Amino acid sequence: AQSVTQPDIHITVSEGASLELRCNYSYGATPYLFWYVQSPGQGLQLLLKYFSGDTLVQGIKGFEAEFKRSQSSFNLRKPSVHWSDAAEYFCAVAKTSYDKVIFGPGTSLSVIP
Amino acid sequence: EAGVAQSPRYKIIEKRQSVAFWCNPISGHATLYWYQQILGQGPKLLIQFQNNGVVDDSQLPKDRFSAERLKGVDSTLKIQPAKLEDSAVYLCASSFPRDSNSPLHFGNGTRLTVT
Repeated sequence: AQSVTQPDIHITVSEGASLELRCNYSYGATPYLFWYVQSPGQGLQLLLKYFSGDTLVQGIKGFEAEFKRSQSSFNLRKPSVHWSDAAEYFCAVAKTSYDKVIFGPGTSLSVIP
Repeated sequence: EAGVAQSPRYKIIEKRQSVAFWCNPISGHATLYWYQQILGQGPKLLIQFQNNGVVDDSQLPKDRFSAERLKGVDSTLKIQPAKLEDSAVYLCASSFPRDSNSPLHFGNGTRLTVT
């Protein structure tokens, strides 16, 4: 069965600093991978997705993620964090675009001004 | 385009009472999902509809939870009777599966508190 782990429950960074959120998945083949963001009181919003091709994918709000098959990882990065990036971030996986999406436990990001 | 609509926004009930949540997906989206998000956890899929048929309800507690999607558009999720551990945010999402790049579009959720 597929599963997603996000090793960091909570991360605090200073505004302007770089950010990397870790995500590891368990699945035999190359899955569909996603990063979603959930701001307080809001629904989840897709940041970026990876299906195939270039392993470095660009998303909205200046985020990018890199798929590394050898490490079963799909880490999210941003070179310079803004205070408005404070939110909950979820990594997710699906076997196909039609299959159910399984979410990780999330990483809570706090940004220090 | 209008987003996924959910109501009510908040609901407080006592244990053993019943409750229903409503979801209106984005127009044209054939696939609809209900997720349960317990505080501090990621969303967990309860049920997935394709049009008005159930694709996956393997994690739906069928002794107390039920869901329907009449006419393949709106959907209702019901809990009867509610337990304390049902306190969570219930998220509805929709997608257009024919587009392999289509992401899930989430509503803002219904926050349920069972006392």
